[in-house]
Amino acid sequence: SAVISQKPSRDICQRGTSLTIQCQVDSQVTMMFWYRQQPGQSLTLIATANQGSEATYESGFVIDKFPISRPNLTFSTLTVSNMSPEDSSIYLCSVEWDRGPYEQYFGPGTRLTVT
Amino acid sequence: DAKTTQPNSMESNEEEPVHLPCNHSTISGTDYIHWYRQLPSQGPEYVIHGLTSNVNNRMASLAIAEDRKSSTLILHRATLRDAAVYYCIVGNFNKFYFGSGTKLNVKP
Repeated sequence: SAVISQKPSRDICQRGTSLTIQCQVDSQVTMMFWYRQQPGQSLTLIATANQGSEATYESGFVIDKFPISRPNLTFSTLTVSNMSPEDSSIYLCSVEWDRGPYEQYFGPGTRLTVT
Repeated sequence: DAKTTQPNSMESNEEEPVHLPCNHSTISGTDYIHWYRQLPSQGPEYVIHGLTSNVNNRMASLAIAEDRKSSTLILHRATLRDAAVYYCIVGNFNKFYFGSGTKLNVKP
């Protein structure tokens, strides 16, 4: 299995600012994913990040608001830009375990509160 | 991707079996059925997956209806640690679209 860490684990931010969330994996993986979990809700897929290519965003999510980097096979970042209170959520990264089919491992999440 | 329907919540007694149902009537022939669970304050964790045949692993069993339009996750002996939200996800690609899930409460 893959071990995934995220930084920060939680943060409280002012509206209008940006926060970059880091996701580190202990082994090389091809596919990484970013999810959002709003309070009391299920998970919503934000985007898919492959190393060496632009992230693919789901409907309702745009690159200007959630820019993603994937510089190598063990690391990715998600930035939440120009934050508003509606962005208060848990943000989770996951990786596809290449032994598959399509088994994913999730990080512990980053709890973001925007005031 | 196929939409899934699960009961909002279920309750079980400790050490008894639990059957968690999932309806996925729009499933296509190549869609896998995945189950994940999310313990409080943690990211989701893989439980089991299947395509057509019933599956068993150390955590649970997955019973898939013959027409594949529904499935049931079976926890053979629920423990307090099994209290979580259980998600049934259907798809043939690695993008997971989570439904609302079933919150399982286990009573001692």
